Amino acid sequence: GNSVTQMEGPVTLSEEAFLTINCTYTATGYPSLFWYVQYPGEGLQLLLKATKADDKGSNKGFEATYRKETTSFHLEKGSVQVSDSAVYFCALSPQGAQKLVFGQGTRLTINP
Amino acid sequence: GAGVSQSPSNKVTEKGKDVELRCDPISGHTALYWYRQSLGQGLEFLIYFQGNSAPDKSGLPSDRFSAERTGGSVSTLTIQRTQQEDSAVYLCASSLASGGVEQFFGPGTRLTVL
Repeated sequence: GNSVTQMEGPVTLSEEAFLTINCTYTATGYPSLFWYVQYPGEGLQLLLKATKADDKGSNKGFEATYRKETTSFHLEKGSVQVSDSAVYFCALSPQGAQKLVFGQGTRLTINP
Repeated sequence: GAGVSQSPSNKVTEKGKDVELRCDPISGHTALYWYRQSLGQGLEFLIYFQGNSAPDKSGLPSDRFSAERTGGSVSTLTIQRTQQEDSAVYLCASSLASGGVEQFFGPGTRLTVL
């Protein structure tokens, strides 16, 4: 079946630290991969996506590369800010399907 | 422009009652999705609509759950004979097309079953 496993939280970092949130997936074929973010008091919103192997998605200083050989889509940011505090969800959309399959979410807190 | 809207934002009901949750997608979006977010189960897919048809209902947890979409726009998720385990945040999303494209999420309806 299709599943997503992401790094357990919560994760607490200081401002300007380097961030990695690990995400691995199980899927048949070629899924599309996503990172969604949920800021405090707000709805889920797309952060970045990649639709084929070796694609790199990027937005707001965040990056993730679709690695088919390791079935991974790790989220990275070189220097985090307090405003990056949120819950981050890795997700996949199976090839030929429309739904999103989500990981369990990682709560990130950035301290000034 | 307007995003996805959902109503009510909060709903408290008694066990055994029926509830209806409403979703207004972004105008022009043909695909509509329902998800459920709960502490124990995380974010789970419930059902997908393309137009007024639901080609994927695989996530509905029991026959107490049903959904419809009319006019290719508004959707209603109905839960009959609610149980305490139905307590969750119900999220609606819509997209221009389907398959690997961005889904835009609404703010959710928080359902509490007493």
